[in-house]
Amino acid sequence: DTEVTQTPKHLVMGMTNKKSLKCEQHMGHRAMYWYKQKAKKPPELMFVYSYEKLSINESVPSRFSPECPNSSLLNLHLHALQPEDSALYLCASSQAPGGRAAGELFFGEGSRLTVL
Amino acid sequence: DAKTTQPNSMESNEEEPVHLPCNHSTISGTDYIHWYRQLPSQGPEYVIHGLTSNVNNRMASLAIAEDRKSSTLILHRATLRDAAVYYCIPTYNTDKLIFGTGTRLQVFP
Repeated sequence: DTEVTQTPKHLVMGMTNKKSLKCEQHMGHRAMYWYKQKAKKPPELMFVYSYEKLSINESVPSRFSPECPNSSLLNLHLHALQPEDSALYLCASSQAPGGRAAGELFFGEGSRLTVL
Repeated sequence: DAKTTQPNSMESNEEEPVHLPCNHSTISGTDYIHWYRQLPSQGPEYVIHGLTSNVNNRMASLAIAEDRKSSTLILHRATLRDAAVYYCIPTYNTDKLIFGTGTRLQVFP
């Protein structure tokens, strides 16, 4: 199983809503990532978890709250988002956290978020 | 991280070879050169990576210049399924893959 599964595939939410994006992998990977991708732009790194601990936060606003409950799951909790937060949110995992040079990232298909 | 320069777009006909160039003149000695691609409506997908020597795998070949300031991803026989945005990413720290603008490859039947 070399899949990273993201749910939901599509999400529409209002600015006062609270919602969550979920990501799951069963490859035994110990690093997990959240990226954000706006239309026709490259993916931008948001967060990195290494061994279930947050290791990198790329100055992401606090209305995005990541959580890694165990080594297979990664959540992104969303609260009080703005319309400009509408984007494709991509989850990825890799076997070797900690900056190892040769690690391959496996990406999910993403969750497309629309904030009204 | 090293800055990269890639053509915005390239075109190819099906079953022809495709050479996708990438300039990374500020690459450091420990940076690996990673290539990812993103097919329409999908997440990025790992293609290949290398350090100094040329590399081959089932998807592509990677040719790295002797001074490591540039590299070329080679698709030996393009298929329609190879139409994607191709990203060249020189980095040591794969925890912080920074995607540039990439090259959009169109493949015509």
